Amino acid sequence: NAGVTQTPKFQVLKTGQSMTLQCAQDMNHEYMSWYRQDPGMGLRLIHYSVGAGITDQGEVPNGYNVSRSTTEDFPLRLLSAAPSQTSVYFCASSYSRDSHYEQYFGPGTRLTVT
Amino acid sequence: GNSVTQMEGPVTLSEEAFLTINCTYTATGYPSLFWYVQYPGEGLQLLLKATKADDKGSNKGFEATYRKETTSFHLEKGSVQVSDSAVYFCALETGGGNKLTFGTGTQLKVEL
Repeated sequence: NAGVTQTPKFQVLKTGQSMTLQCAQDMNHEYMSWYRQDPGMGLRLIHYSVGAGITDQGEVPNGYNVSRSTTEDFPLRLLSAAPSQTSVYFCASSYSRDSHYEQYFGPGTRLTVT
Repeated sequence: GNSVTQMEGPVTLSEEAFLTINCTYTATGYPSLFWYVQYPGEGLQLLLKATKADDKGSNKGFEATYRKETTSFHLEKGSVQVSDSAVYFCALETGGGNKLTFGTGTQLKVEL
């Protein structure tokens, strides 16, 4: 199993450009999430999905869209990039184990918006 | 709401020293608690977990005990190695499936 994969690893955008960060998992996990990591702030939840066709907002959803058409894929779209979206983005998938949910993280995408 | 507070870093230790990284939390209900580790340039990996009060999670020589009375989940290791140098995140989950609340992370540097 490849686990959770993310592409690209690095990306530089100009303000106002749009792009999609890809995330895929091959573990048949029901739950998937997107987090952003900023210095001194830990990881913050952007959007999450509890299954194909179902998504919801996390703590910091503004400026981002998601969709979940298949169990495997959970892309994150930036509609009009802003410098405040410069961050490292992590995708995670999870499943229920012993009454809690164990999350598996991808390697991250480092995004710079100029 | 939920929150996690970790000690500020960086923490710099000599090899074979004792490690403690403090973590306290605020949560509604009965959270599960986690420690994640992030090595340079990589994603987060689950280090250990505890799902109920008084549980002790352990892995790779690291331990943490879920203390409900003090709302704490401190990470300890008796003898650190250079290879333990990483950023450590404390996190909690309250049954939302994939809604982890993270602390800000503590960077650990272990020197020879």
